[in-house]
Amino acid sequence: DQQVKQNSPSLSVQEGRISILNCDYTNSMFDYFLWYKKYPAEGPTFLISISSIKDKNEDGRFTVFLNKSAKHLSLHIVPSQPGDSAVYFCAARAINAGGTSYGKLTFGQGTILTVHP
Amino acid sequence: SAVISQKPSRDICQRGTSLTIQCQVDSQVTMMFWYRQQPGQSLTLIATANQGSEATYESGFVIDKFPISRPNLTFSTLTVSNLSPEDSSIYLCSVAGSLSYEQYFGPGTRLTVT
Repeated sequence: DQQVKQNSPSLSVQEGRISILNCDYTNSMFDYFLWYKKYPAEGPTFLISISSIKDKNEDGRFTVFLNKSAKHLSLHIVPSQPGDSAVYFCAARAINAGGTSYGKLTFGQGTILTVHP
Repeated sequence: SAVISQKPSRDICQRGTSLTIQCQVDSQVTMMFWYRQQPGQSLTLIATANQGSEATYESGFVIDKFPISRPNLTFSTLTVSNLSPEDSSIYLCSVAGSLSYEQYFGPGTRLTVT
């Protein structure tokens, strides 16, 4: 059961334009959502996060939007730069049945972003 | 964020052997995690390793196949035992950040089993 899904395997964008990466989830117990960027031969790098009680979080060129009713989040990159070309993973952390959180992150399959000069 | 290193960065191993992967952090951390990324797949949590206690394994992963040590607050090892080609993956360790929901990852170990 894929609790976090990124349905677009790839996205191609022109430099300077907006990149929008999408993520859907099914588990209502997720309390935090995170986006990671991964270059080949490197580990994932944390980009930005959002709490489930928020609907927007912004950090420089990166903004994450959360639509809790639709169980959907998106990452906007504006303006896109060639150096943004990487695999982007959406991840989510769940509160366990006891009402506490522990560290497990559930990841989506990733979206390959290519930004053309 | 913590600086995390892993050794080896890559290895090619024969079927039936084992590989031990080391993860070193530049600061003391309570929780360390081991993930696997199979080719073309997402990252999947193998186990959570807390210092001074047994590792907690996720469904589908067992201690006999993936024994983990956590001797102190800056170091952990993951052993992948009795290797088969299906074990060919990238193995990553991560640590929880100061904000408990954040995790920071090492560079990964690329394992190829022949």
